[in-house]
Amino acid sequence: EIVLTQSPGTLSLSPGERATLSCRASQSVIRSSLAWYQQKPSQAPRLLIFGASNRATGIPDRFSGSGSGTDFILSISRLEPDDFAVYYCQQYGSSPRTFGQGTKVEIK
Amino acid sequence: QEHLAESGGGLVRPGGSLRLSCAASGFTLSDFYMSWIRQAPGKGLEWVSYVGPDGSDTDYADSVKGRFSISRDNAKNSIYLQVNRLRPGDTAVYFCARDLSFIYPNEGLILRAFDLWGHGTMVTVSS
Repeated sequence: EIVLTQSPGTLSLSPGERATLSCRASQSVIRSSLAWYQQKPSQAPRLLIFGASNRATGIPDRFSGSGSGTDFILSISRLEPDDFAVYYCQQYGSSPRTFGQGTKVEIK
Repeated sequence: QEHLAESGGGLVRPGGSLRLSCAASGFTLSDFYMSWIRQAPGKGLEWVSYVGPDGSDTDYADSVKGRFSISRDNAKNSIYLQVNRLRPGDTAVYFCARDLSFIYPNEGLILRAFDLWGHGTMVTVSS
């Protein structure tokens, strides 16, 4: 199965700063079949990005995704208070679908 | 408003069983694959199982194969996960999620992401 490694484990930033989250796959993710989710404490994950770079319905344009092959990035251009959460990447190009271990974006 | 609501979790002894339910509303359940995904306390997410729109297509993670069984009743707008022979390692919040996977002519099943999640139901396996 494809193992996804996210870095850093924790990102400490201030509101208004830019966040850059990395997701690296153990083998190439076919057709850029990579998604990003946001999860807040005691809440369900929310789909942010699919197909590596496509924003899901209702997701603000300060969220953007990029990458292909084995290296993917989620960027948040200007952090708002509501953006402090844990972010997971997920590949769906190969079975079983797998998730990264998460990056926590916390207030500095 | 599209919504998923899980129920049926609880405290169970090792070797025990539970039946988890997921009630869907606000969309046509029979149009979609559906999945169960779990999250152990303080840990990441693990896909567990999916079921196709008519219930005939199912798959399971290796970690639960032979112990868990997924099903659906579209007339009742519900998805189920029968969890048997539970182990302490099965302790987790179990989420149901709408799965955007679909069958493409001449290509078969195309796996996709999960675009709608419930809030989860907690399963604790402990003696």
